[in-house]
Amino acid sequence: QQPVQSPQAVILREGEDAVINCSSSKALYSVHWYRQKHGEAPVFLMILLKGGEQKGHEKISASFNEKKQQSSLYLTASQLSYSGTYFCGTYSGAGSYQLTFGKGTKLSVIP
Amino acid sequence: KAGVTQTPRYLIKTRGQQVTLSCSPISGHRSVSWYQQTPGQGLQFLFEYFSETQRNKGNFPGRFSGRQFSNSRSEMNVSTLELGDSALYLCASSPRGQGGEKLFFGSGTQLSVL
Repeated sequence: QQPVQSPQAVILREGEDAVINCSSSKALYSVHWYRQKHGEAPVFLMILLKGGEQKGHEKISASFNEKKQQSSLYLTASQLSYSGTYFCGTYSGAGSYQLTFGKGTKLSVIP
Repeated sequence: KAGVTQTPRYLIKTRGQQVTLSCSPISGHRSVSWYQQTPGQGLQFLFEYFSETQRNKGNFPGRFSGRQFSNSRSEMNVSTLELGDSALYLCASSPRGQGGEKLFFGSGTQLSVL
Protein backbone atom coordinates (compact mmCIF):
# COMPACT_ATOMS: atom_id res chain seq x y z
CA GLN A 1 0.00 0.00 0.00
CA GLN A 2 1.27 3.41 -1.00
CA PRO A 3 2.50 5.62 1.89
CA VAL A 4 0.80 8.99 2.27
CA GLN A 5 2.88 12.14 2.13
CA SER A 6 1.96 15.58 3.39
CA PRO A 7 1.90 18.32 2.43
CA GLN A 8 1.53 17.83 -1.32
CA ALA A 9 3.35 21.07 -2.01
CA VAL A 10 5.11 23.79 -0.05
CA ILE A 11 6.72 27.09 -0.94
CA LEU A 12 9.54 28.42 1.23
CA ARG A 13 11.73 31.47 1.24
CA GLU A 14 15.46 30.87 1.51
CA GLY A 15 16.44 30.25 5.11
CA GLU A 16 13.05 28.92 6.22
CA ASP A 17 12.49 25.44 7.60
CA ALA A 18 10.13 22.73 6.38
CA VAL A 19 8.84 19.34 7.49
CA ILE A 20 7.57 16.66 5.15
CA ASN A 21 5.63 13.76 6.60
CA CYS A 22 5.21 10.19 5.42
CA SER A 23 2.82 7.70 6.96
CA SER A 24 1.89 4.12 6.25
CA SER A 25 -0.92 1.81 7.27
CA LYS A 26 1.48 -1.15 7.26
CA ALA A 27 4.29 -2.07 9.61
CA LEU A 28 7.54 -0.83 8.15
CA TYR A 29 11.03 -2.22 7.99
CA SER A 30 12.66 0.88 6.53
CA VAL A 31 11.88 4.29 5.12
CA HIS A 32 13.81 5.87 2.26
CA TRP A 33 13.87 9.50 1.18
CA TYR A 34 14.70 10.65 -2.35
CA ARG A 35 14.71 14.02 -4.08
CA GLN A 36 13.95 14.50 -7.75
CA LYS A 37 14.63 17.70 -9.63
CA HIS A 38 12.69 18.46 -12.78
CA GLY A 39 13.86 16.32 -15.69
CA GLU A 40 16.31 14.36 -13.57
CA ALA A 41 16.42 10.97 -11.89
CA PRO A 42 15.51 10.62 -8.20
CA VAL A 43 18.54 10.92 -5.95
CA PHE A 44 18.94 9.12 -2.64
CA LEU A 45 18.94 11.22 0.53
CA MET A 46 18.80 8.75 3.41
CA ILE A 47 17.50 5.48 4.80
CA LEU A 48 15.98 4.98 8.22
CA LEU A 49 15.70 1.49 9.65
CA LYS A 50 13.19 0.55 12.31
CA GLY A 51 14.41 1.51 15.74
CA GLY A 52 13.53 5.21 15.78
CA GLU A 53 16.81 6.35 14.32
CA GLN A 54 17.29 9.91 13.27
CA LYS A 55 19.77 10.44 10.50
CA GLY A 56 21.23 13.59 9.08
CA HIS A 57 22.58 14.79 5.80
CA GLU A 58 23.97 18.34 5.97
CA LYS A 59 20.95 20.44 6.90
CA ILE A 60 18.49 17.70 6.07
CA SER A 61 17.57 15.16 8.71
CA ALA A 62 14.81 12.63 9.25
CA SER A 63 13.16 10.59 11.96
CA PHE A 64 11.29 7.29 11.93
CA ASN A 65 8.65 6.30 14.45
CA GLU A 66 8.08 2.61 13.79
CA LYS A 67 5.20 2.35 16.28
CA LYS A 68 3.25 5.02 14.44
CA GLN A 69 4.60 3.89 11.06
CA GLN A 70 5.57 7.46 10.32
CA SER A 71 8.64 9.28 9.13
CA SER A 72 9.38 12.97 8.87
CA LEU A 73 11.97 14.78 6.79
CA TYR A 74 13.31 18.04 8.24
CA LEU A 75 14.85 20.68 6.01
CA THR A 76 16.60 23.41 7.95
CA ALA A 77 17.61 26.83 6.66
CA SER A 78 16.48 25.91 3.15
CA GLN A 79 18.57 26.79 0.13
CA LEU A 80 17.51 27.29 -3.48
CA SER A 81 19.12 23.94 -4.30
CA TYR A 82 16.59 22.17 -2.06
CA SER A 83 13.84 22.76 -4.61
CA GLY A 84 12.44 19.59 -6.10
CA THR A 85 9.98 16.81 -5.38
CA TYR A 86 10.64 14.70 -2.30
CA PHE A 87 9.52 11.10 -2.21
CA CYS A 88 9.39 8.74 0.70
CA GLY A 89 9.58 5.04 -0.02
CA THR A 90 8.84 2.18 2.32
CA TYR A 91 9.79 -1.48 2.65
CA SER A 92 7.36 -3.59 4.67
CA GLY A 93 9.95 -6.24 5.45
CA ALA A 94 13.58 -7.16 4.99
CA GLY A 95 12.59 -9.59 2.27
CA SER A 96 9.81 -7.65 0.54
CA TYR A 97 12.03 -6.55 -2.40
CA GLN A 98 9.56 -3.78 -3.23
CA LEU A 99 10.18 -0.14 -2.38
CA THR A 100 6.77 1.56 -2.48
CA PHE A 101 6.81 5.31 -2.97
CA GLY A 102 4.40 8.02 -1.92
CA LYS A 103 3.07 10.53 -4.44
CA GLY A 104 5.68 13.09 -3.52
CA THR A 105 5.89 16.56 -1.99
CA LYS A 106 6.84 19.42 -4.30
CA LEU A 107 9.12 21.87 -2.52
CA SER A 108 9.84 25.27 -4.03
CA VAL A 109 12.41 27.54 -2.43
CA ILE A 110 12.29 31.15 -3.58
CA PRO A 111 14.77 33.99 -2.93
CA LYS B 1 31.80 3.41 -11.70
CA ALA B 2 29.30 4.02 -14.43
CA GLY B 3 25.78 4.76 -13.29
CA VAL B 4 22.52 3.11 -14.28
CA THR B 5 22.01 3.41 -18.03
CA GLN B 6 18.62 3.37 -19.69
CA THR B 7 17.97 3.30 -23.41
CA PRO B 8 16.41 4.82 -25.36
CA ARG B 9 15.94 8.18 -23.67
CA TYR B 10 12.79 9.02 -25.65
CA LEU B 11 10.28 6.91 -27.54
CA ILE B 12 7.20 7.76 -29.52
CA LYS B 13 4.80 4.94 -30.37
CA THR B 14 1.24 4.60 -31.52
CA ARG B 15 -1.59 2.74 -29.84
CA GLY B 16 -1.48 -1.00 -30.33
CA GLN B 17 2.28 -1.20 -30.86
CA GLN B 18 4.68 -2.80 -28.45
CA VAL B 19 7.86 -1.40 -26.95
CA THR B 20 11.00 -2.70 -25.25
CA LEU B 21 13.03 -0.63 -22.84
CA SER B 22 16.52 -1.48 -21.65
CA CYS B 23 18.34 -0.95 -18.36
CA SER B 24 21.99 -1.63 -17.51
CA PRO B 25 22.59 -1.56 -13.74
CA ILE B 26 25.69 -0.45 -11.93
CA SER B 27 28.41 -3.06 -12.15
CA GLY B 28 28.02 -5.56 -9.34
CA HIS B 29 24.37 -4.76 -8.71
CA ARG B 30 22.16 -7.79 -9.18
CA SER B 31 18.78 -6.28 -8.33
CA VAL B 32 16.89 -4.19 -10.86
CA SER B 33 13.52 -2.55 -10.19
CA TRP B 34 11.26 -0.79 -12.67
CA TYR B 35 8.92 2.12 -11.95
CA GLN B 36 6.34 4.04 -13.94
CA GLN B 37 6.18 7.75 -13.18
CA THR B 38 3.24 9.91 -14.21
CA PRO B 39 2.32 13.42 -13.01
CA GLY B 40 0.51 13.30 -9.70
CA GLN B 41 0.95 9.55 -9.19
CA GLY B 42 4.53 9.44 -8.08
CA LEU B 43 6.56 6.33 -8.81
CA GLN B 44 4.48 3.20 -9.28
CA PHE B 45 6.34 -0.09 -8.78
CA LEU B 46 6.27 -2.42 -11.78
CA PHE B 47 8.55 -5.33 -10.87
CA GLU B 48 11.87 -6.32 -9.37
CA TYR B 49 14.40 -8.82 -10.66
CA PHE B 50 17.32 -10.50 -8.97
CA SER B 51 19.57 -13.08 -10.59
CA GLU B 52 17.18 -13.45 -13.54
CA THR B 53 14.19 -14.13 -11.25
CA GLN B 54 11.22 -11.87 -10.78
CA ARG B 55 10.74 -11.60 -7.02
CA ASN B 56 7.95 -9.08 -6.88
CA LYS B 57 5.38 -7.55 -9.21
CA GLY B 58 3.26 -4.45 -8.88
CA ASN B 59 -0.38 -4.01 -9.75
CA PHE B 60 -0.09 -3.62 -13.50
CA PRO B 61 -1.83 -5.57 -16.29
CA GLY B 62 -0.14 -8.50 -17.98
CA ARG B 63 0.78 -6.28 -20.94
CA PHE B 64 3.71 -5.18 -18.81
CA SER B 65 6.45 -7.75 -18.60
CA GLY B 66 10.14 -7.88 -17.98
CA ARG B 67 13.18 -10.05 -17.80
CA GLN B 68 16.72 -10.01 -16.56
CA PHE B 69 19.77 -11.48 -18.20
CA SER B 70 22.72 -13.27 -16.65
CA ASN B 71 24.77 -10.05 -16.74
CA SER B 72 22.02 -8.34 -14.68
CA ARG B 73 20.88 -6.15 -17.56
CA SER B 74 17.12 -5.93 -17.68
CA GLU B 75 14.44 -5.21 -20.23
CA MET B 76 10.81 -4.37 -19.85
CA ASN B 77 8.21 -4.83 -22.55
CA VAL B 78 4.81 -3.26 -22.96
CA SER B 79 2.53 -4.85 -25.52
CA THR B 80 -0.60 -3.41 -27.12
CA LEU B 81 0.21 0.12 -26.03
CA GLU B 82 -2.54 2.37 -24.72
CA LEU B 83 -2.61 6.15 -24.42
CA GLY B 84 -2.43 5.82 -20.64
CA ASP B 85 0.94 4.09 -20.90
CA SER B 86 2.56 7.43 -21.70
CA ALA B 87 4.96 7.98 -18.82
CA LEU B 88 8.53 8.15 -17.67
CA TYR B 89 9.84 4.65 -17.02
CA LEU B 90 12.63 4.49 -14.49
CA CYS B 91 14.82 1.61 -13.54
CA ALA B 92 16.88 1.42 -10.38
CA SER B 93 19.57 -0.95 -9.23
CA SER B 94 21.02 -2.05 -5.91
CA PRO B 95 23.38 -4.82 -4.85
CA ARG B 96 20.77 -7.25 -3.51
CA GLY B 97 17.45 -5.38 -3.49
CA GLN B 98 17.13 -5.53 0.28
CA GLY B 99 15.32 -3.02 2.48
CA GLY B 100 18.49 -1.44 3.85
CA GLU B 101 20.02 -0.64 0.47
CA LYS B 102 19.65 2.59 -1.41
CA LEU B 103 18.48 2.54 -5.00
CA PHE B 104 20.43 4.11 -7.83
CA PHE B 105 18.14 5.40 -10.55
CA GLY B 106 18.71 5.78 -14.25
CA SER B 107 17.59 8.89 -16.14
CA GLY B 108 14.57 7.07 -17.48
CA THR B 109 12.88 6.47 -20.80
CA GLN B 110 10.15 8.95 -21.69
CA LEU B 111 7.47 7.03 -23.59
CA SER B 112 4.79 8.89 -25.52
CA VAL B 113 1.89 6.90 -26.96
CA LEU B 114 -0.06 8.67 -29.71
